[in-house]
Amino acid sequence: EIVLTQSPGTLSLSPGERATLSCRASQSVSSNRLAWYQQKPGQAPRLLIYDASRRATGIPDRFSGSGSGTDFTLTINRLEPEDFAVYYCQQYGGSFTFGPGTKVDIK
Amino acid sequence: QVQLVQSGAEVKKPGASVTVSCKASGYTFTTYAMHWVRQAPGQGLEWMGWIYAGNGDTKYSENFQGRVTITRDTSASTAYMELSSLKSEDTAIYYCARNVAGTGWLDPWGQGTLVTVSS
Repeated sequence: EIVLTQSPGTLSLSPGERATLSCRASQSVSSNRLAWYQQKPGQAPRLLIYDASRRATGIPDRFSGSGSGTDFTLTINRLEPEDFAVYYCQQYGGSFTFGPGTKVDIK
Repeated sequence: QVQLVQSGAEVKKPGASVTVSCKASGYTFTTYAMHWVRQAPGQGLEWMGWIYAGNGDTKYSENFQGRVTITRDTSASTAYMELSSLKSEDTAIYYCARNVAGTGWLDPWGQGTLVTVSS
């Protein structure tokens, strides 16, 4: 099973700043089959990025994904108030697993 | 629009079983797969399994050791997740989520169903 590690656990930033979230896999993720989700309190997760770098429908372009192999990054440029949430990565290159999440909170 | 609507909250005793339903609308049910993911209170996401609604093929996480069964009723455009031999650690929100068969990203998700296991 591919284990995903996310860092940092919590990221404290101010609106307008850039957030850089990391997701590292225990082995190479086949064909960069990695997604990112956003979850706000009391809500279901929402797909942001799939196949490591493709934005889902309706996702603002301040969200971008990059990386390959075992190292992936979600970048949020110019944080908006609604972006403060928990972010999960998920791989689907070999079965399905999620990372433990990164909380982005207001500094 | 695509929508997944799940059944309501459940309270069960240890050792019992629970079935959560997920009714799909806004798309052709049989051309997609449906996954189930759970989230314990204050914790992360855990993948449970999926079903391809077209032919009923399923795959389950080994973490559930045969306790989970996913089925579907194509006439009702509804997927079901049954979890048996419930333990207190199974207390969680259970989500269904649609998936294009052959891919792996999940979009959209149902609203979630809280299952509480307590004696």
